[in-house]
Order: sequence, then C-alpha cells, then structure tokens
Amino acid sequence: QVQLKETGPDLVQLTQTLSITCTVSGFSLTTYNVHWVRQPPGKGLEWMGAMWNGGGTDYNSAFKSRLSISRDTSKSQVFLKMNSLQTDDTAKYFCARHGPIPSFDYWGQGVMVTVSS
Amino acid sequence: DIQMTQSPSLLSASVGDRVTINCKASQNINKYLNWYQQKLGEAPKLLIYNTNNLQTGIPSRFSGSGSGTDYTLTISSLQPEDFGTYFCFQHNSWPLTFGSGTKLEIK
Repeated sequence: QVQLKETGPDLVQLTQTLSITCTVSGFSLTTYNVHWVRQPPGKGLEWMGAMWNGGGTDYNSAFKSRLSISRDTSKSQVFLKMNSLQTDDTAKYFCARHGPIPSFDYWGQGVMVTVSS
Repeated sequence: DIQMTQSPSLLSASVGDRVTINCKASQNINKYLNWYQQKLGEAPKLLIYNTNNLQTGIPSRFSGSGSGTDYTLTISSLQPEDFGTYFCFQHNSWPLTFGSGTKLEIK
C-alpha cells in the first residue's frame, strides 16, 4: 500500500541546516510527484515545494533560496534541505503524494522539528 | 500570492446539524479548490478535490460547491467523528496556498 515516512532531527540549532528524508513505498517517484508542507504548532499549513515525477522542482518563493528538494529514485527517497533556520521554522514537516487526482492524496505522519537557540 | 480566507474560524455544532464552512480566495481560482480534514496530531485527510469531487472513501454527507472566488464545504448531517480542523487549499496558482482553518467542535 502507499506509504510515506519522514525522518529527520527533533532539534536543530539556530542558523543551522535542516535535512529531512521522505521515504515512500507503494508507488514510484517517477510516476507521482511529492510535495513538502509544514505546519507550525497550533497554526495552519504552508506549502513549501514540490519534486515532480520528471525530476524538476518548484519552490515557494517565501523560502527564497534557503530551500532545496532533491530525490534518489533508486531508494524511493525525497530530500528536503533548508538552511539558515530561525525559530519560526519550528514546525511539523510533512511530505505528501500528489496525484493521480489533483491533490495530496497520501501524507506521511510528519516530523516535528524544533529550532533552538 | 492568493490569500485564502476561511470562515468561521471556530464552529460548534450538534450531531445531525447541517454545517457549512466557507473559503474565499483573493482572486479567481477556477474551481481548483480542495478541502482537507485534520485531527489533532495527524496528517490532513483529503475530502474534496476540484470544488465538488468526493475523494474515494469519504462519506456522501460531505459535499463541496462554489466557483470564482467563493467556495463552500457542507456536511449534511454532522457525525461525532467529524470533529477536527478543516482547511481549504487552492492549486490554481503558485505558490499553492491553504486557508487558515476552521475548527469544528461537536456540542
């Protein structure tokens, strides 16, 4: 069955780099797109960016040049890297599958990341 | 960026009530509007896509409507398991954006 699972640190120091891995199963990264969405505690959802099935990427400009998304199709993994972390980057980070319907139909359980000074 | 404004932000209703949640976009989103339900500590769950298409496995008491900038999620007869926070989401324009959420409480 379709599954996505995020793994990453619980705690990241201020100004450091966040790295999260989304490992998927039950579908191919060359067929479906994977997006990243985050949610600060008690707040709403924010779309961060996408890894398209063809290997291209799109980013929310709110993250300027801090964000990078990549993948390893042989390992069925999508990677999020974001640098220069600030306290307002404290959030739960989700990866989600996009398609075949035009939406996020499967999500990971999320990983809660706290940025600490 | 397209701003998505949801109302109300908090809704308290009784089992059996008909409930409506509204979402207004800052510009026309051409019906590219989805609805999600999220329960505490869980990932969002897709309910409706492209305004009025029910996701597989979602009960028929959920429905969506709208066009242009104004969209509505309706629950025809509220059930106890429908508590949670509901988000609208537009995928017409980049960056993709979510509404701020409507917390639905069961009386």
